[in-house]
Amino acid sequence: QQQVKQSPQSLIVQKGGIPIINCAYENTAFDYFPWYQQFPGKGPALLIAIRPDVSEKKEGRFTISFNKSAKQFSLHIMDSQPGDSATYFCAASRAGTYKYIFGTGTRLKVLA
Amino acid sequence: DTAVSQTPKYLVTQMGNDKSIKCEQNLGHDTMYWYKQDSKKFLKIMFSYNNKELIINETVPNRFSPKSPDKAHLNLHINSLELGDSAVYFCASSQGTWLSNYGYTFGSGTRLTVV
Repeated sequence: QQQVKQSPQSLIVQKGGIPIINCAYENTAFDYFPWYQQFPGKGPALLIAIRPDVSEKKEGRFTISFNKSAKQFSLHIMDSQPGDSATYFCAASRAGTYKYIFGTGTRLKVLA
Repeated sequence: DTAVSQTPKYLVTQMGNDKSIKCEQNLGHDTMYWYKQDSKKFLKIMFSYNNKELIINETVPNRFSPKSPDKAHLNLHINSLELGDSAVYFCASSQGTWLSNYGYTFGSGTRLTVV
């Protein structure tokens, strides 16, 4: 119940494409779903996050879609750029706890 | 100004040695964490301190001992290092007891290699 399953493990798209990364969870007590972006040699950085009371959130070229009934959420990157090449992690946390449960990560490569 | 800083950035050591990693945050956060990232990039929490009090202690060998002298610092000491300890160790901090409000700020990591 504590797992967050993330797919695909790796993804290659052409510049301008729309990569989509999917995550699924089981614990309905989770109430916060962030996405983190990690560049080589750096720590993960918060990219965008959503709560289960909304179905979509956009920040710039990044969009989270959330399906509460299916217990799934996904990250879409519009007009992807080579600079978006990084590892992306989804995560979930439960109110009152101090920790995230992270997905296994997706290595994205955007070709110029 | 680095928000969460870890030292050293790289650490190469022999099996059986004892080593420490230091972490400091200047964000005024009250909660700090140690995460381990393995070779497959999987991130797993090890410990968390809130205002110098240990609040999370996951299933980690007791060779790993965290210490928080104050809420801005969280150090990780590892005794009798083993090959399997090789990984990248990330320090992180957050403010408040509700991650849904604030999220983590991660350091740049310490790459530990045990030979």
